Parts: sequence; C-alpha cells; structure tokens
Amino acid sequence: EVQLVESGGGLVQPGGSLRLSCAASGFTFSSYSMNWVRQAPGKGLEWVSYISSSSSTIYYADSVKGRFTISRDNAKNSLYLQMNSLRDEDTAVYYCARDGGTTWGQGTLVTVSS
Amino acid sequence: SYELTQPPSVSVSPGQTARITCSGDALPKQYAYWYQQKPGQAPVLVIYKDSERPSGIPERFSGSSSGTTVTLTISGVQAEDEADYYCQSADSSGTYMAWVFGGGTKLTVL
Repeated sequence: EVQLVESGGGLVQPGGSLRLSCAASGFTFSSYSMNWVRQAPGKGLEWVSYISSSSSTIYYADSVKGRFTISRDNAKNSLYLQMNSLRDEDTAVYYCARDGGTTWGQGTLVTVSS
Repeated sequence: SYELTQPPSVSVSPGQTARITCSGDALPKQYAYWYQQKPGQAPVLVIYKDSERPSGIPERFSGSSSGTTVTLTISGVQAEDEADYYCQSADSSGTYMAWVFGGGTKLTVL
C-alpha cells in the first residue's frame, strides 16, 4: 500500500523550532519529487515547499523562505521539514504529498503559541 | 501572485448534478487537479490533468476545461460527496511551477 506518514508536530512557542518527518512506503520514494502543504485551522490549502527526487532542486513559498528547510533521505525513504523562527501564523496541519497529488499523508498539527 | 478563484459554496439535492468552477489566467496552459477533503481528513485527488480520473474514484466525478475556467462535475450527487473541494494548478510565472490552490468550495448536499 502506498503510504505517507507524518510525525513531529506539536506545541511550540513563537520563535521556536520544530522538525517534521514524513515516512514513505509502498512506492519507490527516490523516484518522486515531494511537497509540503499546510492548512491553517478552518482555512484552505497552502503549498509550502518542493524538493526534487535527487534534492537538486528546492523551492519555498515566500511565506516560509529563509525560515524553513526541506530535505530528504532516499536511503531512509523519508522527507523532512525543518521549521525555525516559527510564528503564530505557521499554526496549521502540515501534509507531505507526492508530486502529482495522488498520495498525501494524514497530516501533523503544528501549534505555535505562547 | 497567481490566484485560482472558486465559489465559496455550492448546494445541491441528492441525485442532482453539482458543478464547481475554478478560474485562473494560466489554466489554458497548465493542468488542473481537483481534491476532495472531508472534515478531519487529508485531501484526496479526484481529478488530475483537467479530466482524468484516478483509479478508485467513482465515475460520477468528471472534469472539464474551457479557456481560463475548469469545472468539476459530480453527477448524481450522493450524501457522501458532501465535502470541501479544492482546485490546484501550477504557477508558471516563476522558475518553478509551484502548486497553487483555489480557496475551496464547500459542497452541501441538501
């Protein structure tokens, strides 16, 4: 079964850091580009970041550029999102999604609050 | 920045046809994708590349494209189709075609 499972979410104070992970299974992870997408409570979907299959190409939404870092470990079938300098407005459910949109994880909630 | 525009809400009775539109200037050049999201769940792809249906998605879901507007059509709507629907395409104005999402449409089955 093709599956993505996120972890690492939680409550963090403004200015703090958090690292999200996304474990892939059931497909050849190293062949696919990946994305992070987030959804603030009661709001719509917002694309956050993209990484190519070999990590050679990386992009970020303007809202997170300079604060978030996407990475992957193909040997471990894992995708990561390092989030620094977190703000209240980063509060959201964070999803990892395979390029093409066919597969999404169940999401992990990040709450930034003092 | 590039935007996709959807109606906030659509309401239909069971068995009727629901049509949800999505407008964007780049849609004639970029494919559109549609996602269904039920409360507390992750999005599910229901249409890709404007009109293709992934395996496992019921035939009542279809997609079409005309100029700067794409449309998700749900024929013979069922109660289980009540959900939020998001269109997604690519912002080709920069060096990378970042995902861009519409604001979402809440489908209510009366």
